Amino acid sequence: AQSVSQHNHHVILSEAASLELGCNYSYGGTVNLFWYVQYPGQHLQLLLKYFSGDPLVKGIKGFEAEFIKSKFSFNLRKPSVQWSDTAEYFCAVNTLFSGGYNKLIFGAGTRLAVHP
Amino acid sequence: EPEVTQTPSHQVTQMGQEVILRCVPISNHLYFYWYRQILGQKVEFLVSFYNNEISEKSEIFDDQFSVERPDGSNFTLKIRSTKLEDSAMYFCASSDRREGEAFFGQGTRLTVV
Repeated sequence: AQSVSQHNHHVILSEAASLELGCNYSYGGTVNLFWYVQYPGQHLQLLLKYFSGDPLVKGIKGFEAEFIKSKFSFNLRKPSVQWSDTAEYFCAVNTLFSGGYNKLIFGAGTRLAVHP
Repeated sequence: EPEVTQTPSHQVTQMGQEVILRCVPISNHLYFYWYRQILGQKVEFLVSFYNNEISEKSEIFDDQFSVERPDGSNFTLKIRSTKLEDSAMYFCASSDRREGEAFFGQGTRLTVV
C-alpha cells in the first residue's frame, strides 16, 4: 500500500533560519505530490504541487520543493522562515494507478514553530 | 476567493446517535471528498464522490457512513450510529478536475461522548 513518511514531527526554528522538511513516499509508479499547510485554526491550504516537468517546484510564500524520483522524496524548503510560517505542514501523494479521484494519502504532518 | 465551507465547526454527540456533517463545495467543482483526522494521527481519505455517486471509498467508510448531495450545493456526510472512535476532525474537499487541486474546508470537529 502507498504510504507517506514525514521525518520530523516537530521543528522549532528562529526567524531567518532555513527550513527543510523531509517527505518520502512508497510507491513505484507515477505520482502527483503535494505539500499542504494548516495555519492554526484554519483549513488545509495547498503550498505547492508536482505533477510532471521540472522537479524543482516553487510554491506560495517562498516555499519550494524538490522531487527526487530515485529517492522517492519530495522535501520542502524555505531559505528564511518567518514567524508567520508557524503551522503544520503535510506532505501528500496522489497515485494515478489508484484510479482515484484525487485520493490523497497524507503524511503524519510536521508541526513548525518559528520563534521571533 | 471561493472556498469550501463546513458546518458545524464543532459537534458533540452521544454514542449511538446519528450525525450529519455538512459541506458546501466550491460552486463549479465536480469532485467531492471527505477526509478525517483523528487527534494526533494522519489525515485519512474516507470517500470521493462524482456524478452523484461514490467513486472510491476507503476501508474506514463502512456501512455506518453515507454521503449525499441532496441539492445542487450541499454535500453531506452521515454517520448512522456514532462510536467513540468516530471522534475526529472531518474535512470536506472539492476539486474541478479529477487531478486538480483539492480545496479543503476548515473542518468539523466531531466529539462522540
